[in-house]
Amino acid sequence: NAGVTQTPKFQVLKTGQSMTLQCAQDMNHEYMSWYRQDPGMGLRLIHYSVGAGITDQGEVPNGYNVSRSTTEDFPLRLLSAAPSQTSVYFCASSPSFTSTDTQYFGPGTRLTVL
Amino acid sequence: AQTVTQSQPEMSVQEAETVTLSCTYDTSENNYYLFWYKQPPSRQMILVIRQEAYKQQNATENRFSVNFQKAAKSFSLKISDSQLGDTAMYFCAFMKPPNAGGTSYGKLTFGQGTILTVHP
Repeated sequence: NAGVTQTPKFQVLKTGQSMTLQCAQDMNHEYMSWYRQDPGMGLRLIHYSVGAGITDQGEVPNGYNVSRSTTEDFPLRLLSAAPSQTSVYFCASSPSFTSTDTQYFGPGTRLTVL
Repeated sequence: AQTVTQSQPEMSVQEAETVTLSCTYDTSENNYYLFWYKQPPSRQMILVIRQEAYKQQNATENRFSVNFQKAAKSFSLKISDSQLGDTAMYFCAFMKPPNAGGTSYGKLTFGQGTILTVHP
């Protein structure tokens, strides 16, 4: 049982490049979400999904796309990276979208956009 | 919208002593959930403790306990017998209960974080 996994751990991009941050969980969790962590601002919700095929925007969705074709995977896409997207990105999951249980976080991806 | 404020950017404590981290929040909800997460240098987010607003009893987990003051909208974390491994950034977080047809599913609102350093 690996929990929530994220790849890559580190990434450096140039402005305008695209990339996908991968997130997977093996706990059959319905709810998955993406947060970004910036100094002095805590974590902010980017997008979330309450189940396969269903996604919605969080607090800071601009510049990011998501899809949820399977229960296990919830990739985050940056179509045209900007320096403002330099951040640490966390994926999280919990058993159900109606759950107030603990959310399980992945180890994070540190992204730098030059 | 909910806001969570941690007014102490950094704290330090000697090993074996007790330290309290502060958190205040603003909400119009009557029922909600509060959490403290720990983020060590490894970056992993680890749940320390959670509190349901409808429970008057303060939550405790071993050396960690909270002082939940609902009327004052305050949720502080007390760490007793501090250990070197407690050195980390601590985040206070708020979650509204899920509601059918709403958009609050599972959303955590985080404070800015407090860096805690435990000195030997």
